Amino acid sequence: GEDVEQSLFLSVREGDSSVINCTYTDSSSTYLYWYKQEPGAGLQLLTYIFSNMDMKQDQRLTVLLNKKDKHLSLRIADTQTGDSAIYFCAETTAGTYKYIFGTGTRLKVLA
Amino acid sequence: EADIYQTPRYLVIGTGKKITLECSQTMGHDKMYWYQQDPGMELHLIHYSYGVNSTEKGDLSSESTVSRIRTEHFPLTLESARPSHTSQYLCASSEDRYSGNTIYFGEGSWLTVV
Repeated sequence: GEDVEQSLFLSVREGDSSVINCTYTDSSSTYLYWYKQEPGAGLQLLTYIFSNMDMKQDQRLTVLLNKKDKHLSLRIADTQTGDSAIYFCAETTAGTYKYIFGTGTRLKVLA
Repeated sequence: EADIYQTPRYLVIGTGKKITLECSQTMGHDKMYWYQQDPGMELHLIHYSYGVNSTEKGDLSSESTVSRIRTEHFPLTLESARPSHTSQYLCASSEDRYSGNTIYFGEGSWLTVV
């Protein structure tokens, strides 16, 4: 079945760039997403990318998609302590109810 | 910014009690979902709905039930709560647009059954 994998932990120093990686298996994926979850809260949409795009930039966030390798990454420039959270990668195919979420990457930003 | 609201945010109830978690969205989305998530863990889909009068069970078996009488409202009910139901419940809705089938989440309802 479809699967989305992420590494569990990432630790970076404040001001450095963070890169969170995700791999997925469903070749029919249409949209891929990054969500942020802070303790005790729901998932906040950060950004999304269509499967026919290679890159998307939104302020400090850069999403790179390698469709051939089914690899998605999220780069956060100038990481701040407020960026400490769990980041979930997700994918879906147009017209379905099914969203496949990764297990989340816990980003810790050290001051 | 997503307009999806869940109440209560936090609830502690005794075993055997009936509980309804409320979820409302003002975005006019047809599709709505309930996910169960233990703290910091992966999300499990327990119910979804394509629209009014449509409800389906998700991938994770759940003793809860849902209803969809109005587009904006998708409540989840536990007839008899047990300690194993202790978890965070996330309501979500999604749009079908050429710009992305984005799924939006509420802030979650934390349920503790004692």
